[in-house]
Amino acid sequence: AQSVTQPDIHITVSEGASLELRCNYSYGATPYLFWYVQSPGQGLQLLLKYFSGDTLVQGIKGFEAEFKRSQSSFNLRKPSVHWSDAAEYFCAVGAPGEYGNKLVFGAGTILRVKS
Amino acid sequence: DADVTQTPRNRITKTGKRIMLECSQTKGHDRMYWYRQDPGLGLRLIYYSFDVKDINKGEISDGYSVSRQAQAKFSLSLESAIPNQTALYFCATSDFSDTQYFGPGTRLTVL
Repeated sequence: AQSVTQPDIHITVSEGASLELRCNYSYGATPYLFWYVQSPGQGLQLLLKYFSGDTLVQGIKGFEAEFKRSQSSFNLRKPSVHWSDAAEYFCAVGAPGEYGNKLVFGAGTILRVKS
Repeated sequence: DADVTQTPRNRITKTGKRIMLECSQTKGHDRMYWYRQDPGLGLRLIYYSFDVKDINKGEISDGYSVSRQAQAKFSLSLESAIPNQTALYFCATSDFSDTQYFGPGTRLTVL
């Protein structure tokens, strides 16, 4: 079964600074990888996903993520953070071809943006 | 209109009460899921369904049951609610792309 770790529970960055949120996964083959964002009181919105191909994935709101097989990582990045990016971010891993296309989620990283 | 809706959005109930959370979707997806979210634990899968005749237990199904009334409707029931079922509950749908789309969530408090 797959698993995912988000090592940082909280991260604080200044508005305009760059951001990197870490995600490490465990799976025996190439997984499906997702980043979701949850704003306060809201559901989860898909930021981006990786299934195959180009390891650098572009998403919405200026986010990108890079799949690094050798490091079992799928870190989320943004070059310049806006105050509206303050939210909780979840990395999720899926197991291609397995029944149910179930996702396993990390515990989440709460992003705070200071002005 | 939202593609995945959940009712109620907030619910406070007492220990031992039966409660049902409902999920409806207009995305036309066959696959539907119920998760619970607890602080510091992320989302954990309760049940999932591929069609009205296919119901599967997830990671944490004890104390819960589900009903898939139609392709578009998937309900989660707590037969006898207990305080440690206080959580945020999410419904999700997916098609064959393996991408899941989430509803806005139901905040449930069991006193």
